[in-house]
Amino acid sequence: EVQLVESGGGLVQPGGSVRLSCAASGFTFGSYAMKWVRQAPGKGLEYVASVSSDGGSAFYTNSVKGRFTISRDNSEDTVYLQMGYLSAEDMAVYYCARVGIGAVGLEYWGRGTLVTVSS
Amino acid sequence: QSVLTQPPSASGTPGQRVTISCSGSSSNIGSNYVYWYQQLPGMAPKLLIYKNDQRPSGVSDRFSGSKSGTSASLAISGVRSEDEADYYCAAWDDFLSTDVVFGGGTKLTVL
Repeated sequence: EVQLVESGGGLVQPGGSVRLSCAASGFTFGSYAMKWVRQAPGKGLEYVASVSSDGGSAFYTNSVKGRFTISRDNSEDTVYLQMGYLSAEDMAVYYCARVGIGAVGLEYWGRGTLVTVSS
Repeated sequence: QSVLTQPPSASGTPGQRVTISCSGSSSNIGSNYVYWYQQLPGMAPKLLIYKNDQRPSGVSDRFSGSKSGTSASLAISGVRSEDEADYYCAAWDDFLSTDVVFGGGTKLTVL
């Protein structure tokens, strides 16, 4: 069974940083690209970042470029999101998702981890 | 303001057919596949439709997707109370420096 479990969220001060983790199981992790998608309270879904299956390529939405870094460790079946210079606009539930092969979309999602930015 | 435009709400009575629209442009829906995601209350999103009209295994055939030009639609036939959820369309955009864009979401209420 495919499972994605996010962790690392919590209360962070404005300007602070946090690292989110997404532990994968139930599939060959190194064969799939991964994404982070966030959802602010009461709002819709927003793409944040993606990383290729081998970790060699990373992409970001404009609002997080230079502040967030996505990475992965295929030996640990884990994808990370290092987040810095956080502001209230970054407060959201952060989901990791597996990118299906062959343009089948985001076929599996984790339950998400909440990042609260507040002093 | 989302790149893809969806109505904020939709409703139907049990058994009805409900349609949710998603409007985009030539750089997203017009030239790329459309995806639909269902998010039940308090849950993570779930892939409902991929490549415009394909259903992942396990998704009820009551859900169907279509695309025409720069617009797409999700249809739910025989709507049930358990279909009450938020529905999001998504597509890649060739011009924006982000690889996937989402619609603002449509909250479906089953009356």
